[in-house]
Amino acid sequence: ETGVTQSPTHLIKTRGQQVTLRCSSQSGHNTVSWYQQALGQGPQFIFQYYREEENGRGNFPPRFSGLQFPNYSSELNVNALELDDSALYLCASSAGLDYTGELFFGEGSRLTVL
Amino acid sequence: AQSVTQPDIHITVSEGASLELRCNYSYGATPYLFWYVQSPGQGLQLLLKYFSGDTLVQGIKGFEAEFKRSQSSFNLRKPSVHWSDAAEYFCAVGAPHDKIIFGKGTRLHILP
Repeated sequence: ETGVTQSPTHLIKTRGQQVTLRCSSQSGHNTVSWYQQALGQGPQFIFQYYREEENGRGNFPPRFSGLQFPNYSSELNVNALELDDSALYLCASSAGLDYTGELFFGEGSRLTVL
Repeated sequence: AQSVTQPDIHITVSEGASLELRCNYSYGATPYLFWYVQSPGQGLQLLLKYFSGDTLVQGIKGFEAEFKRSQSSFNLRKPSVHWSDAAEYFCAVGAPHDKIIFGKGTRLHILP
C-alpha cells in the first residue's frame, strides 16, 4: 500500500510569486485535505477535495486554490505569496466523506517566502 | 464555534513517569475525536480515535484516552513514557461530512 507523498519537500520563494504543491493520495482514498501548519501552531484546514470537487474550505483567501485529478492526486496553488505564507503544508487523504476517520498525512512541503 | 483547546504548550516528564495531556473541545454535534503525534520533520500519525461506545479508547504505542462528554474533554494518557515519546501531540475533532479541526499542540519533553 502506497502512502501519501508530497512534493517538493522544501522550497523557497519570494513575495509575489506563485507556488504549486503536489500530493499523491494513499491507494484507495478519494478525499484529499490540505492543511497549513505555521511554526509552533497546529494544522489549519485550508480545503478538502472529494472526487475532484471542493468540499469545504477554511478561512483562507481565494489566492489559495486547489485541484483534484481523476486519480485523486491533488495540487495546492498559492498566488501572490506573502511572508506569512511561510509554513509546512500538509496533505492528508482519507477514504471518503462518510468516513471522517483517520487522515493519512504526508510529510509535508515546507515553504519559505522571502 | 468549533474549536479544540490544548492548554499545555509544553510538558516535561521523566522517563518512566506517567503522562496526561489535556484536550477540551467545543463542537455542535457529537464529535469524532482524535489524537495525532508529530515527530520532528515528519507528518502526523494517528494515535487513537473515538467515535462512539466505550469512552476509554486504546491506541498505538501504549497510549489511551478517555472521552468525558460532561467536561468536553478527551485527555491522552500513558502509564510510563519512553524517551522515544518526545514529540508534539495534537488533539483534533471532526464529524461525518465535516473537516477535522486541530488544537495548537502540546510539545512533550522527556527527561532521562
